[in-house]
Amino acid sequence: AQTVTQSQPEMSVQEAETVTLSCTYDTSESDYYLFWYKQPPSRQMILVIRQEAYKQQNATENRFSVNFQKAAKSFSLKISDSQLGDAAMYFCAYRTRGWAGGTSYGKLTFGQGTILTVHP
Amino acid sequence: GAVVSQHPSWVICKSGTSVKIECRSLDFQATTMFWYRQFPKQSLMLMATSNEGSKATYEQGVEKDKFLINHASLTLSTLTVTSAHPEDSSFYICSALRDRGLEQYFGPGTRLTVT
Repeated sequence: AQTVTQSQPEMSVQEAETVTLSCTYDTSESDYYLFWYKQPPSRQMILVIRQEAYKQQNATENRFSVNFQKAAKSFSLKISDSQLGDAAMYFCAYRTRGWAGGTSYGKLTFGQGTILTVHP
Repeated sequence: GAVVSQHPSWVICKSGTSVKIECRSLDFQATTMFWYRQFPKQSLMLMATSNEGSKATYEQGVEKDKFLINHASLTLSTLTVTSAHPEDSSFYICSALRDRGLEQYFGPGTRLTVT
């Protein structure tokens, strides 16, 4: 079974600064997907960024980028120019590529989460 | 597009009663829906996976007789908490997979309080 570990329960950053959230995972698979989700105080889960394991290039979405190190099984999220609206709980998640007929298709395994505080 | 709704957003019920939570995909057909449980400041714990027209697949340790899941159509899945007790108080979140796609779309969650 796959496991996802976020070793930073809480992080803080000054507005406009950069912060990096860590995530490691354990899997025996070679093809999979990794995600970062944001859960603000409203508790609505929001997809931040996605990485496909077979792609070597790190994914980027505006101020959000990842450092995907497949051999090290590491998937960190960098938030640049932090804004007050970035304050949330962030979850790293793993999804096996799987096959459409399988019972585990689409299942996400989440890390423990990191609470990010942004100071004005 | 790709909106998932949940109803109700907050429910209070007395111990021993049952409560039903609905999860709807508003603008797409969801081949698979997932139900999660989340305690404050903790991660999402997958409870079960439901596919339209078939029985739900429950995760280990989840009581299937207590948490009844019905995926009656491609746009609706329901979670019924039977004989609820205070320890069932939690935040329940559903998500939906569109056309066996890559992204899960999450509902806004339902806060259940059992008194």
